[in-house]
Amino acid sequence: AQSVTQLGSHVSVSEGALVLLRCNYSSSVPPYLFWYVQYPNQGLQLLLKYTSAATLVKGINGFEAEFKKSETSFHLTKPSAHMSDAAEYFCAVTPRGGYQKVTFGIGTKLQVIP
Amino acid sequence: GAGVSQSPRYKVAKRGQDVALRCDPISGHVSLFWYQQALGQGPEFLTYFQNEAQLDKSGLPSDRFFAERPEGSVSTLKIQRTQQEDSAVYLCASSPQGEAYEQYFGPGTRLTVT
Repeated sequence: AQSVTQLGSHVSVSEGALVLLRCNYSSSVPPYLFWYVQYPNQGLQLLLKYTSAATLVKGINGFEAEFKKSETSFHLTKPSAHMSDAAEYFCAVTPRGGYQKVTFGIGTKLQVIP
Repeated sequence: GAGVSQSPRYKVAKRGQDVALRCDPISGHVSLFWYQQALGQGPEFLTYFQNEAQLDKSGLPSDRFFAERPEGSVSTLKIQRTQQEDSAVYLCASSPQGEAYEQYFGPGTRLTVT
């Protein structure tokens, strides 16, 4: 069975500092991986996705993530945090090939301190 | 264009009441998903439709939960005899044909059972 583990349910960074949100996956074969962002009282919005051979994935709002097979990781980074980045971030995984269920992590709430 | 919409946005039900939650997917999207998001958790898969066919309902927690999409567009999630543990945000997502791994989420319906 596939799963993702998000390390740190709450992360605080200063405005302008590096953002690093951790995600490790468990899957027997390289899966598809995603990061979603959820603002209060809103649905989830796709930030970026890993679905091909390119291991460094760039997404919206300056975020990027690197797929590392050897570490089974897909950490989300942003060089400089902005106040508007404060939200909850979810890592998600689904196996390749046809329809498959998407499994989400428990989420990491990002706080940006001015 | 219009995104995924859900109604009502908030629903308070007394224990034992039946509720119906509506999802309007993005026009033309073939796939439709329902998720349950408990407080402080990531979304948990409930069920999946491809057009009007319900292909996976393995996530429905009990036979009190029922979902339909009779014309392959709008979907309704029905919960009979609501219980307190049903309190959660119910998220709907849709995706276009061939892109089942990229899902577009609605804002959710927050159900509170008192």
